[in-house]
Amino acid sequence: DTGVSQDPRHKITKRGQNVTFRCDPISEHNRLYWYRQTLGQGPEFLTYFQNEAQLEKSRLLSDRFSAERPKGSFSTLEIQRTEQGDSAMYLCASSLTRDRLAGGPDTQYFGPGTRLTVL
Amino acid sequence: DAKTTQPTSMDCAEGRAANLPCNHSTISGNEYVYWYRQIHSQGPQYIIHGLKNNETNEMASLIITEDRKSSTLILPHATLRDTAVYYCIVRVDRMLSGGADGLTFGKGTHLIIQP
Repeated sequence: DTGVSQDPRHKITKRGQNVTFRCDPISEHNRLYWYRQTLGQGPEFLTYFQNEAQLEKSRLLSDRFSAERPKGSFSTLEIQRTEQGDSAMYLCASSLTRDRLAGGPDTQYFGPGTRLTVL
Repeated sequence: DAKTTQPTSMDCAEGRAANLPCNHSTISGNEYVYWYRQIHSQGPQYIIHGLKNNETNEMASLIITEDRKSSTLILPHATLRDTAVYYCIVRVDRMLSGGADGLTFGKGTHLIIQP
């Protein structure tokens, strides 16, 4: 399978612990996105990278959230000092930016998500 | 990005065409209409997108009205596996306009295919 992969698929942690999630994008995709989805809601955009550069991080929910993509391939999302309100599905997506002449936004392809439960 | 309005839920009989409407009356000229769906506990799946012309692929057809203020996603022969939440998203071409490139999801339409 050459789609977006995420690890782990499920994570249960105690309040106050740090957690880290990994996302492996589709090979050669240069953009990588993180979203959060709470029960009954659509996904909420958090941040994204183009290659190793983080181009948008103002949507990260608090300074407890951070993301990295050090070599422009896989990415990690870390939540420090987890709270019960952090319980959600964390989704990763990747895309390949189009040549400007081709027109249109690039299409994002999503992974299966990591479900976080904070006790 | 322009806001979209979708019905909360819809039913469709298996084997029939499922027609999912989306209103995006404030869409601007450089905004595309995207459709994704999300089957329970999975990540969203891309279906189709378009600017102003009707589009068709192996999954679905997208019909956009001439004034671009609304669109309809058509699943021609719905199966039980098409039961999912369907999201209509309007998205500007950020490579032209700049700004954050995340998708803005609403609550979508919960499509239930009945046997």
